[in-house]
Amino acid sequence: DVKVTQSSRYLVKRTGEKVFLECVQDMDHENMFWYRQDPGLGLRLIYFSYDVKMKEKGDIPEGYSVSREKKERFSLILESASTNQTSMYLCASSLSLAGRNEQFFGPGTRLTVL
Amino acid sequence: QKEVEQDPGPLSVPEGAIVSLNCTYSNSAFQYFMWYRQYSRKGPELLMYTYSSGNKEDGRFTAQVDKSSKYISLFIRDSQPSDSATYLCAMKEAGNMLTFGGGTRLMVKP
Repeated sequence: DVKVTQSSRYLVKRTGEKVFLECVQDMDHENMFWYRQDPGLGLRLIYFSYDVKMKEKGDIPEGYSVSREKKERFSLILESASTNQTSMYLCASSLSLAGRNEQFFGPGTRLTVL
Repeated sequence: QKEVEQDPGPLSVPEGAIVSLNCTYSNSAFQYFMWYRQYSRKGPELLMYTYSSGNKEDGRFTAQVDKSSKYISLFIRDSQPSDSATYLCAMKEAGNMLTFGGGTRLMVKP
């Protein structure tokens, strides 16, 4: 069974803080993704990575950066958290970008920025 | 206008009912169509997948794609309380990223 784990289920931070969200997958997948999920807006792609140290911007990368130093780990960084970054953050991994690109998701981190 | 539209619900049905969940889309280049199911406090998981047009059946679940109308559906027969979840449609072009709908929250009451 593919397992994607996220470091925190709930996180509360203050405006201006630097925030790190960590994601680890155990299936040797090449690709990893960070999404945010907001009511009515579905999942929106922030960044994805197709290999170690490789990253691509998604649809809403502003205010975020990512790091992939090891194949199994993909970190999302909020350089200076703002209240509009309060959201559910979901990490996913997939074996291939071709075809249906089945993605396996972690349980999510609900981030509140005060 | 969003690329993929999905009624957010909530949709409340009695146990045993037939449920119909739908998405419309605007990008005619979409070729891969998926339904993900997301239980409360969990991440989404792939439920059904269809390539191009047609139907696919898996147990109580049937996925339909009508590319001429840019419309996809998920039918659940004999719905159960355990089917209560948010259902997200997702679709993609070849070589591109997934585009998700906003999700429909379904509640099946015993």
